[in-house]
Amino acid sequence: NAGVTQTPKFRILKIGQSMTLQCTQDMNHNYMYWYRQDPGMGLKLIYYSVGAGITDKGEVPNGYNVSRSTTEDFPLRLELAAPSQTSVYFCASSYSAPQGIYNEQFFGPGTRLTVL
Amino acid sequence: GENVEQHPSTLSVQEGDSAVIKCTYSDSASNYFPWYKQELGKRPQLIIDIRSNVGEKKDQRIAVTLNKTAKHFSLHITETQPEDSAVYFCAASSSNDYKLSFGAGTTVTVRA
Repeated sequence: NAGVTQTPKFRILKIGQSMTLQCTQDMNHNYMYWYRQDPGMGLKLIYYSVGAGITDKGEVPNGYNVSRSTTEDFPLRLELAAPSQTSVYFCASSYSAPQGIYNEQFFGPGTRLTVL
Repeated sequence: GENVEQHPSTLSVQEGDSAVIKCTYSDSASNYFPWYKQELGKRPQLIIDIRSNVGEKKDQRIAVTLNKTAKHFSLHITETQPEDSAVYFCAASSSNDYKLSFGAGTTVTVRA
């Protein structure tokens, strides 16, 4: 199992550009999450999905969009990039919700994004 | 929504000493509390968790305690070693919730 994979690892964007961060998991997990990690600020939830075709907003969704057409993939779209979106982005997945038994969230390696 | 506060933000300990990190939560319905460790440049990984029906849980040199009345929980690391140097995050989740709320993290440095 590759676990949770993310591409790209690094990216520099100019203000106003758009891009998609890819996330794939091969563990047949139902739940998938996108977080951003700013220095000293912990992990902030952007969007999450409880299954294919179902997505919902987290704490900081503005400026982002997601889709979940398959169980494996959960891409994050940035439209009109802004310097405030400079961060490290982590995708995570789990088999069940936090209240469930198989609830451990497995994280991908992260994408470091800089917007100039 | 849930608000998790974590203290201290940085912690430096001598190798062999103990380290304690404390978190408070706001939602009295929260009942699941995991701790994640993130080594420099790496992804966060779950190290221990506790549910609200348990007051304490141990796994070798790490332990977590929960005080539901005061709405706080703590991570204890005993006999610290250099490989314990990392950022530690606490989190909380309430019943019927699909997500975790994370604290801001504690950077632990173990001095040789």
